[in-house]
Amino acid sequence: DQQVKQNSPSLSVQEGRISILNCDYTNSMFDYFLWYKKYPAEGPTFLISISSIKDKNEDGRFTVFLNKSAKHLSLHIVPSQPGDSAVYFCAASARYGGTSYGKLTFGQGTILTVHP
Amino acid sequence: NAGVMQNPRHLVRRRGQEARLRCSPMKGHSHVYWYRQLPEEGLKFMVYLQKENIIDESGMPKERFSAEFPKEGPSILRIQQVVRGDSAAYFCASSPGSGGLDEQYFGPGTRLTVT
Repeated sequence: DQQVKQNSPSLSVQEGRISILNCDYTNSMFDYFLWYKKYPAEGPTFLISISSIKDKNEDGRFTVFLNKSAKHLSLHIVPSQPGDSAVYFCAASARYGGTSYGKLTFGQGTILTVHP
Repeated sequence: NAGVMQNPRHLVRRRGQEARLRCSPMKGHSHVYWYRQLPEEGLKFMVYLQKENIIDESGMPKERFSAEFPKEGPSILRIQQVVRGDSAAYFCASSPGSGGLDEQYFGPGTRLTVT
């Protein structure tokens, strides 16, 4: 039962353009969403998060949008840079509901390649 | 300010041996999570611990796997009688605050290979 899905295994973008990575979830108990970036042979690095009381959060070149009614979130990177090439994971947690104790449920990841 | 540390980074075990993976959380963090990543998949939650307590082990296989976070020292994930299907990357994450209310910061992982 895949509660968090990233339906695009890969995305290729030209340097300077916008990268849009998408993520869908099914569990309505999720109230906190995060994006992580991962290079090969390294651990995931936290990028940006959003609480379910917001619909947008911005940090420099990174913006996360949340559409609760559609159970969909997206990460926008603009402008994209070659150093952004990595695997991007979205993750979700139910911080205040149920007994999940904040454990993260991850999507399968999207490989982003930014071409110079 | 050191990040989350995991050792060893690579571990090779023969089938039937034991594997011990260690995780030292970031300074000031008292919450530890273990995740496993199988090839071509996302990370899957295994267990959540605070000092001397297992809070949530709903993601742990029922047999052969155990975890601890003692009062002193690192958190340990122990896999007894390893099988080939245990080959994966095991990541530890830590957070400072009460469960789940803060971002989790990940270590570099331990890559376990079972031959």
